Amino acid sequence: EPEVTQTPSHQVTQMGQEVILRCVPISNHLYFYWYRQILGQKVEFLVSFYNNEISEKSEIFDDQFSVERPDGSNFTLKIRSTKLEDSAMYFCASSDAPLAGVNTGELFFGEGSRLTVL
Amino acid sequence: ILNVEQSPQSLHVQEGDSTNFTCSFPSSNFYALHWYRWETAKSPEALFVMTLNGDEKKKGRISATLNTKEGYSYLYIKGSQPEDSATYLCALEGNTPLVFGKGTRLSVIA
Repeated sequence: EPEVTQTPSHQVTQMGQEVILRCVPISNHLYFYWYRQILGQKVEFLVSFYNNEISEKSEIFDDQFSVERPDGSNFTLKIRSTKLEDSAMYFCASSDAPLAGVNTGELFFGEGSRLTVL
Repeated sequence: ILNVEQSPQSLHVQEGDSTNFTCSFPSSNFYALHWYRWETAKSPEALFVMTLNGDEKKKGRISATLNTKEGYSYLYIKGSQPEDSATYLCALEGNTPLVFGKGTRLSVIA
């Protein structure tokens, strides 16, 4: 069964360092998302991506964050200068249809990348 | 800001018991409600996507109902098994792509 894969599963970094989290969405999916969960809190939306551009982003997704689809398979989340409060589990998700509306898509999630900022 | 609440926060049941939990959400700006099953160290797995008031969906021993007018959804598990132990997340699809609740952590004791 096709699945979303994420690497690394766990990354430890020093505050101020750049981090890139990688995702390989399901191959025929067109809509991509990043979510995160800070320990003990709710899963939060970061950004959605379609047709090589950001379609929506949350307040969390500030100038320190960026996303890219550098080739036909990878979807990356970059944090330019990590802060302690960026420590979280980051989930990539993909769908074959947009969310919203009668024919809403179903999201398929990866297993997550745990980021620890020291 | 949309707020999605789930109760209870955690639940322990004996194998064979049936159980249910609740997801509450604001009924305005509603597009769909998603239920996910999330086992530790695995990816959240989609259970149901529900869009219409009165929807009832079933997958094996798990079923869900939706009331968009009063803003709640119930998830039912019939005859719980140890492999049902997981966190069950609901997520509202409104103006933002999925607003999640905090989840209900279910532990089924053999």
